[in-house]
Amino acid sequence: KAGVTQTPRYLIKTRGQQVTLSCSPISGHRSVSWYQQTPGQGLQFLFEYFSETQRNKGNFPGRFSGRQFSNSRSEMNVSTLELGDSALYLCASSPDIQGGYGYTFGSGTRLTVV
Amino acid sequence: GESVGLHLPTLSVQEGDNSIINCAYSNSASDYFIWYKQESGKGPQFIIDIRSNMDKRQGQRVTVLLNKTVKHLSLQIAATQPGDSAVYFCAENPLGSARQLTFGSGTQLTVLP
Repeated sequence: KAGVTQTPRYLIKTRGQQVTLSCSPISGHRSVSWYQQTPGQGLQFLFEYFSETQRNKGNFPGRFSGRQFSNSRSEMNVSTLELGDSALYLCASSPDIQGGYGYTFGSGTRLTVV
Repeated sequence: GESVGLHLPTLSVQEGDNSIINCAYSNSASDYFIWYKQESGKGPQFIIDIRSNMDKRQGQRVTVLLNKTVKHLSLQIAATQPGDSAVYFCAENPLGSARQLTFGSGTQLTVLP
């Protein structure tokens, strides 16, 4: 059974640009969540999608957005990139609505903003 | 507030010894807790979880203990091996936040030969 797939693995962007990251969940998983991981702030929740609807959102500016498609694949977008957006962006998928059962992470996309 | 903290940022143990990694949480409404292991260049990997109606849960070489009275969580790794070297995170899932995990800052476990 394939795991959570995130593409690309590495990305270098310039300040002011925008970026789109992709996440393919485990087959059958309908919930996809995104997290930002930095050395200073650790793992922070960005947002969660279930059945193409954003169910929950963390405390990030509106430059961070996402969406989920009918096949449960998800994308997140960051516009007007800032140096502080450099981070590892992690996607996690889960089959359930309640709790964190079966919450599986991908290997992440390493974004570097220069 | 909703925060999860780790007692120690680093922990070094001899190969074969037992490891204990601690975590304090502040949200008494949390009903589900998870330990993750993260190796360099990889995403967090699920180790073991526990619901708030339990005090202890055992897996293969790992045990999680939950003390709701003092809001403390610990991960015990038996017979620690070099492959256990990684950063360990505890995470809580506050009741009602179906998929919003709050992570601790992590503990770097180093296994010495």
